This record gives sequence, C-alpha cells and structure tokens, in this order.
Amino acid sequence: QSVLTQPPSVSGAPGQRVTISCTGSSSNIGAGFDVHWYQQVPEAAPKLLIYANNNRPSGVPDRISASKSGTSASLAITGLQAEDEADYYCQSYDNSLTNSRVFGGGTRLTVL
Amino acid sequence: EVQLVESGGGLVQPGGSLRLSCAASGFTFSRYSMNWVRQAPGKGLEWVSYISSSSSPIYYADSVKGRFTVSRDDAKNSLSLHLTSLRAEDTAVYYCARETGSFDSWGQGTLVTVSS
Repeated sequence: QSVLTQPPSVSGAPGQRVTISCTGSSSNIGAGFDVHWYQQVPEAAPKLLIYANNNRPSGVPDRISASKSGTSASLAITGLQAEDEADYYCQSYDNSLTNSRVFGGGTRLTVL
Repeated sequence: EVQLVESGGGLVQPGGSLRLSCAASGFTFSRYSMNWVRQAPGKGLEWVSYISSSSSPIYYADSVKGRFTVSRDDAKNSLSLHLTSLRAEDTAVYYCARETGSFDSWGQGTLVTVSS
C-alpha cells in the first residue's frame, strides 16, 4: 500500500482532458512538501514531468499542468494524444518515515 | 547531456549478494545527491536509498535497511548499491536517479532477479 494514493487507471479520448489525483496526508503533501510527477511509457525509465508542484521541465508541453492543495495534488493533461498513454506517478517526502521519499502507486492512462 | 548508466544486475539465489553500479556523465557528479529507486515486475516505483553529495547523510527504505549499502566514488563519477541477504521480493529493475528536489534524471535500469 503506497503512502500516496492514486487511481489505478484513467482514460480519455483523443483531444479530451484527463486529471490524475494524488492523495496524501499531514505527514507528506499536507506538511508542505513539494509534489513531483513522472511519466513512464512501457519498457522505459521514468521521466520527470512536473517538479515542485506545478513546474514543467524544458520540453514538456504546456498542455500538461499540475496543482497542489491541502493534502492532495493533481495532474491535468489537455488535448489528449496517443503518445500520452503511459503510467504516471506522483512523488513527495514523508516526515513520519526517516527522510523517506515516497511515491504514489501509479496511474495507467489509456487513450481510447 | 546528463547520462546515468546502471550495471551489475543479474540472477542471484536467495540469501546472495550483488553490487550494482551507476556511471554518471554530463554533469558535475560530486555536487549532486543521488538515489536508487526500484520497480518490481508489473508494479510501481519504490524508493530504496539516498546519498547526499557529501556521502552524509544516507537514508534507506525500511524494506532494505540493514541489507543494502549505498556509496559513491566522486573520483570515478560512480554510484554503487551493495545488496546482501537478497530475498525474492527484491526482484526488480533498479534505477539510479539524480536528485535536485525532484528526481530529474534517471538511468535505464538494471534487472535483479532473486530466484533459486
């Protein structure tokens, strides 16, 4: 069981908007720690998608965005494309575990 | 360009040991904290270990504490993870990742299989 909770799967048609939630607690997201998001396409290493809650690294399109509020965070993808089909993970820190970096369980995005 | 290349994975029997390496290039390795993250077959990502740029502090996930040891050799731009007392549940792809707050760069991973 992951410290951060994500839905196992989401789906959407091309061009649509999807969101992926990441629910934590007062010892991680709610404690003010940053949330980061990663994309992992099949058979590849994870790739940083969003850092520090809502910042896109160079090369990540602006149709990908994220937000954080209270003990939760959310990733949004608009104008869904076939290439967005992948697994998405949120990540933060938890002060109830010795300096632990923690991941969500991951969400599989299917483009219909 | 930042590059991280893991090596050292393979098949090992339960109770056995293995040493993983991560060769870094394209950045000043000594200035960055590094991590190991693993992914069991068909499962999600699990953080394993952290080592700061100065090699102190070092942290481990509870699932590997006392069995795994992380180290770094800045002269060789290399990160290592020594795995001992291996269990079937340690079977996974092991990634090294550079930390800048987030894990901004990842290697391609090396597969460790623990089986008799």
